[in-house]
Amino acid sequence: DAGITQSPRHKVTETGTPVTLRCHQTENHRYMYWYRQDPGHGLRLIHYSYGVKDTDKGEVSDGYSVSRSKTEDFLLTLESATSSQTSVYFCATLLAGTTDTQYFGPGTRLTVL
Amino acid sequence: DAKTTQPTSMDCAEGRAANLPCNHSTISGNEYVYWYRQIHSQGPQYIIHGLKNNETNEMASLIITEDRKSSTLILPHATLRDTAVYYCIVRLVQGAQKLVFGQGTRLTINP
Repeated sequence: DAGITQSPRHKVTETGTPVTLRCHQTENHRYMYWYRQDPGHGLRLIHYSYGVKDTDKGEVSDGYSVSRSKTEDFLLTLESATSSQTSVYFCATLLAGTTDTQYFGPGTRLTVL
Repeated sequence: DAKTTQPTSMDCAEGRAANLPCNHSTISGNEYVYWYRQIHSQGPQYIIHGLKNNETNEMASLIITEDRKSSTLILPHATLRDTAVYYCIVRLVQGAQKLVFGQGTRLTINP
């Protein structure tokens, strides 16, 4: 547990609406990540951040944007939600060092109708 | 990062040792083997990792073959709470540390 919280934990929205998911960490980890998990696909990386204002794309970044203005917060935005973005979203942070272990948050279940 | 191959599912009796295999035949010399697990609906949880020596912690043991082309995660006394999907991941310890998750092994512990 690395003090990671995600909000909201559950959200139902309609196609075309903007959605922002928040990841908050209390451990001052440098790296933060957003994954999505869908049946049959496992976890796939959307975007990641290696510092404040430093972000990069993952393997499934289309339709998503991120921002990191503070070390502790990493926001994932769906500018115009689509039904294909219905998924469970996990945030993770990395403690760089001897273990380089990623810690995951509890997840946000997003349903786009 | 090297690709890994794991069995889709396994069963184990409660109280017995659960041995989960992973093949990573294309692993390079500076890639580590990591194991995570995901209990239903929760975020993945780190278990253990290693480079070439066997490792043990409070959760599990990791046995890596001498040629490093395969490894086994051992849960010495499995409990019902160990029922989960277990992921074997091979990656370099550098840079942005992106984890690439495969399908994992669904381990069911039976009473």
